[in-house]
Amino acid sequence: EVQLVESGGSLVQPGGSLKLSCVASGYTFSNYWMDWVRQTPGKSLEWIGEINTDGSKTNYAPSIKDRFTISRDNAKSTLYLQMNNVKSDDTAIYYCRVITTTDYWGQGVMVTVSS
Amino acid sequence: DIQMTQSPSFLSASVGDRVTINCKASQNINKYLNWYQQKLGEAPKRLIHNTNSLQTGIPSRFSGSGSGTEYTLTISSLQPEDVATYFCQQYNSWPTFGAGTKLELK
Repeated sequence: EVQLVESGGSLVQPGGSLKLSCVASGYTFSNYWMDWVRQTPGKSLEWIGEINTDGSKTNYAPSIKDRFTISRDNAKSTLYLQMNNVKSDDTAIYYCRVITTTDYWGQGVMVTVSS
Repeated sequence: DIQMTQSPSFLSASVGDRVTINCKASQNINKYLNWYQQKLGEAPKRLIHNTNSLQTGIPSRFSGSGSGTEYTLTISSLQPEDVATYFCQQYNSWPTFGAGTKLELK
């Protein structure tokens, strides 16, 4: 059974940094691209970006680029999202996701940006 | 960005009703469109990909259609377990989502 478990969410001050993790199990992690999607308090969904199988290529939404970095450690079956210079608009539930024969999402982790 | 305009925002229907949800893209997305279902307290789940390809395990009462800039999700006979919020998402360029349609039982 595919499982994705995020961690690292917390309250962070504007301008601060945070690193989210997503541990995967139940499939061959290194065979699949992965991405991050967030859902704001108003419930809209926003794609953040994606990473290829060996971590050599990433793509980001224009609104995110240069502040967030996606990486992965295939030996640990773990996906990361490094968030820098966070803003109040970054307050959201953050999901990691993989698409194999279907899509699998983590349970989501809450990030709150507030002073 | 490609903007996705979803309608209606809210929909109330009875069990057995035929339900349609619409999504309009700000430019041609060449059928690169997914539909997601999100139940309360859960992560979204993909129902349909490539406009009309039903995800394995999804009931056949769900179907998708469209082309160009106009797309539709249809539930042929609404069931109680279909109460959820539905999102469209294009992937012709970097993915963007519609604002969602909240579907409730009348």
